[in-house]
This record gives sequence, C-alpha cells and structure tokens, in this order.
Amino acid sequence: GDSVTQMEGPVTLSEEAFLTINCTYTATGYPSLFWYVQYPGEGLQLLLKATKADDKGSNKGFEATYRKETTSFHLEKGSVQVSDSAVYFCALSGNTGANSKLTFGKGITLSVRP
Amino acid sequence: NAGVMQNPRHLVRRRGQEARLRCSPMKGHSHVYWYRQLPEEGLKFMVYLQKENIIDESGMPKERFSAEFPKEGPSILRIQQVVRGDSAAYFCASSPDRLGGYTFGSGTRLTVV
Repeated sequence: GDSVTQMEGPVTLSEEAFLTINCTYTATGYPSLFWYVQYPGEGLQLLLKATKADDKGSNKGFEATYRKETTSFHLEKGSVQVSDSAVYFCALSGNTGANSKLTFGKGITLSVRP
Repeated sequence: NAGVMQNPRHLVRRRGQEARLRCSPMKGHSHVYWYRQLPEEGLKFMVYLQKENIIDESGMPKERFSAEFPKEGPSILRIQQVVRGDSAAYFCASSPDRLGGYTFGSGTRLTVV
C-alpha cells in the first residue's frame, strides 16, 4: 500500500538557518504530494502541494519539488523564523480517482531558537 | 466563512462510556473525512463520507466505531464502550469535491480514563 517516510526528529535550528526536512514515499501510479503544518493546539494547515513530477510547490518561503525518480518531496526553507516552529507532515493522495484520502508520514517537530 | 468546526475540543470519558465527536464542514463542502492521530504517530485515515453516504470506511476499526453525515446537521463520529487505546486526537476535514483541497478542523482530543 501507499506509505510516507519522514526523517526522524525533532529538529532544532537557530533563526535564519537553512531547513531541510526529508520525505520519501511509496505509491502506485502518480500520487499528489503535500506538506501540512500543525501549530500547537491547532489543526493541520496545507503548506504546499505538487500534483505531478518535477512540479515545485511553494508557500511562505517553503519549497518542495516532486521527484519521481527518487520518490521524494523534501521540504526546504532558506531562512527559518521562530514562528516556523511547528510539526510538519508530509502526505500523499493516491490518484485512483476513488477519493482523495491522505496517507501521512509521522511528522517532525521543528523548534527554532531566537 | 467559518472553517471546519469540531466540538468538543477536549473530551474525557471513562472506560466503557460512549464518545460522540461532531464535525461541521465548511459551507458548501459536502465531503467529510475523519482521521485519528495517536501519540507520536501521523494521522491515519478512518472514514470518508458524503451527505447520507459512507464512501470509504476502510480505516475504521471493525467494532465500536461508527460515523454518519446526515442530510441536516454535522457529521458524527461515535465510539462505543471506549477503551484507553482510543485516546487520541480526532481530526475532521472537509472539501467541496473528491479531488482534495482539504480544510482541517482543530480536532477533538479524546482522553479515556
């Protein structure tokens, strides 16, 4: 079945540091890929998405590129801020057409120090 | 335009009691998804519903769990005879169609004591 693997956490960075969070997936066909962010006590918010190979999703300074050859969708940001502290989830949606249920990775907690 | 509303935010139940979790989708959204987040785990799909229909319940435990989305009113996730292992955060999401573009609610955190 479909699966998403995220790098182990937590991750602690200083403000303005470069961020990379790794995500790889296993799926049949051509899934859509997502990054969600969860701030403390809140629900998940869609951060960015990509629906086909070589697409780059971007939002709020975050970027991720859909790499079919390496089955990866790594999240990057050039300069993190304290306000980026949250839990980040990588997810995929199978492209079967039946429905768009999401398969999530375990999530990784990011803490950014001033 | 209010987002996806879930209530209660926190729910405490004793073992053996029933838990009812409510989800009001965004206005105009007729597709509802329920997910469960166990401690230290990612979200796991439970069930997908449209108005008055269960479309996919492949992630629902076979016993004690049920879900509905009536013609009028919120979607309800019902857990009968709760056990400690049911303690988790339960998230609802809604979308206007089956193509995705979810909006998640803030979740209900169920604690079974």
